[in-house]
Amino acid sequence: RKEVEQDPGPFNVPEGATVAFNCTYSNSASQSFFWYRQDCRKEPKLLMSVYSSGNEDGRFTAQLNRASQYISLLIRDSKLSDSATYLCVVNYQGGKLIFGQGTELSVKP
Amino acid sequence: NAGVMQNPRHLVRRRGQEARLRCSPMKGHSHVYWYRQLPEEGLKFMVYLQKENIIDESGMPKERFSAEFPKEGPSILRIQQVVRGDSAAYFCASSPSATKTYEQYFGPGTRLTVT
Repeated sequence: RKEVEQDPGPFNVPEGATVAFNCTYSNSASQSFFWYRQDCRKEPKLLMSVYSSGNEDGRFTAQLNRASQYISLLIRDSKLSDSATYLCVVNYQGGKLIFGQGTELSVKP
Repeated sequence: NAGVMQNPRHLVRRRGQEARLRCSPMKGHSHVYWYRQLPEEGLKFMVYLQKENIIDESGMPKERFSAEFPKEGPSILRIQQVVRGDSAAYFCASSPSATKTYEQYFGPGTRLTVT
């Protein structure tokens, strides 16, 4: 079983749509959780950290369920510029980040 | 404040040659991490270094790969006797402190092609 598993992609959605990504992690000792964004296999960039209380940043909302070992990302009112690969990332051991495979999002006009 | 810098951005090596990848962390960061992204795969942790110390090398292949982060100068990822399977994007990241090792900033990567 992979340490971090994500929905397989790609997701093709029209502009303005709401899209949700899911992710599960296998290690219950995981401590920190993130969503990163990667454009065209360039460097990953931190989108947002994820907390048990849930957190929102504009059109983006992230949720963490520690009991289910589940993380989600919701994007509302999708823009063309949201097209990218979204990476679910977990940290449980010092500086080592564990990346999911990524889910590709393509927003169409 | 310059971000994480990596060079070269693209590197082509023939099978059997050596590859040296360099990473300069962000100013004030003393923790460096290397990750590898194979074609069509996710990023995989390779090694975590502090100045002059290897903290975690659990993701490093057992042979041909080594990493260092000297007191002065950039961190170096060295691949000896490269093979086609080493072709990948190698990303370096840095973080500011031991209490925030999860807060990592990534460089643009070095794309290694082995012919």
